[in-house]
Amino acid sequence: AQRVTQPEKLLSVFKGAPVELKCNYSYSGSPELFWYVQYSRQRLQLLLRHISRESIKGFTADLNKGETSFHLKKPFAQEEDSAMYYCALREAYSGAGSYQLTFGKGTKLSVIP
Amino acid sequence: EAQVTQNPRYLITVTGKKLTVTCSQNMNHEYMSWYRQDPGLGLRQIYYSMNVEVTDKGDVPEGYKVSRKEKRNFPLILESPSPNQTSLYFCASSSRGEKAFFGQGTRLTVV
Repeated sequence: AQRVTQPEKLLSVFKGAPVELKCNYSYSGSPELFWYVQYSRQRLQLLLRHISRESIKGFTADLNKGETSFHLKKPFAQEEDSAMYYCALREAYSGAGSYQLTFGKGTKLSVIP
Repeated sequence: EAQVTQNPRYLITVTGKKLTVTCSQNMNHEYMSWYRQDPGLGLRQIYYSMNVEVTDKGDVPEGYKVSRKEKRNFPLILESPSPNQTSLYFCASSSRGEKAFFGQGTRLTVV
């Protein structure tokens, strides 16, 4: 069974400080990892997916298969980054699992002015 | 504009009164799903559908029903709502290998 763990329910940082939101996963197959963000009273939206290897809003995330982690990082936090962040996993290649997203429980990021 | 639309956005109802939350997508996605979001529990999948007339249970299906008669629509039905179904509900759709699109959410309160 696949599992996504986000160990921190709440993370508070000062504006300008570095941010790291942790995500660990367990999955026996070949995973695809995502970060979704939910701003206050808005729908979830995709922030990053590991296969894209891009930086969105200054955030990056690297898939570390050895440590089974996909931590989200940003060097300098901004107030507008305050939101709920969800790490998610799905099967990478084929079958029903390539649709199914398994979410972590989320981390609420609060950036203090 | 590509989107997933849920209705209603807010709903207050009484225990036992049947209700339906609609979900519609305009992207011709084959896959649709329903989640509930609760504090401290994150997103939990209720039901999903791989295509028309193909539905299956997610992690927390008790007390819910779904149907997929058309590709674009995936309504969530609560035959006899109870207070423990008070939650924020999200519908999502996707195609294989593509990102998931989420609806704007339906906040349901059962009193």
